[in-house]
Amino acid sequence: EVYLVESGGGLVQPGGSLRLSCLASGFTFSTYWMTWVRQAPGKGLEWVANIKEDGSEKYYVDSVRGRFTISRDNARNSLYLQMNSLRAEDTAVYYCARLSDYDYGLEDWGQGTTVTVSS
Amino acid sequence: NFMLTQPHSVSESPGKTVTISCTGSGGSIASNYVHWYQRRPGSAPTTVIYQDNQRPSGVPDRFSGSIDRSSNSASLTISGLKTEDGADYYCQSFDSNNRHMMFGGGTRLTVL
Repeated sequence: EVYLVESGGGLVQPGGSLRLSCLASGFTFSTYWMTWVRQAPGKGLEWVANIKEDGSEKYYVDSVRGRFTISRDNARNSLYLQMNSLRAEDTAVYYCARLSDYDYGLEDWGQGTTVTVSS
Repeated sequence: NFMLTQPHSVSESPGKTVTISCTGSGGSIASNYVHWYQRRPGSAPTTVIYQDNQRPSGVPDRFSGSIDRSSNSASLTISGLKTEDGADYYCQSFDSNNRHMMFGGGTRLTVL
């Protein structure tokens, strides 16, 4: 069974930084694209970033490009999201998900980790 | 950029049928697959329809999906509604031009 477990969320001041992690198990992590998706309070799901199997391609939603960095460590079966220059509007539950590179659907999701940006 | 638009909410009675639309703009809905996710409060999203009209194992056949090229939209239809179908539903697709993913704004289904 596929497991995706996020960690690293918390309370941070505006302008601060946070690093989210996602530990994967139950599948061959190095053969899948991975994704971060977030949901702000009272809002819908928002795609944040994708990363290719070997980390050679990365894509970001416009609102986080230049502030967030997606990365992965295939030896550790781990996905990361480094978030810098955080804003109040980045407050959300952040999910990691496994992405199909055939149909670009999200096959499995973690339970999410909560990020709150507030002074 | 390609965008997806859903109605904010729909409401229907148990046993009835409801259809949730997902309208594409800035490109063709048929260019990439559309997927549908169900999200209940406090839980991670789960797939109810993938590749436009495929149902994952474990999803009842009351759930179906379709694409209408003429209206540039996708639809999720749930028949024989049950109270437990009440949830938020999101469509999702992919923009081949910029390799970005996108979600519709989500539709809250109330069954009462």
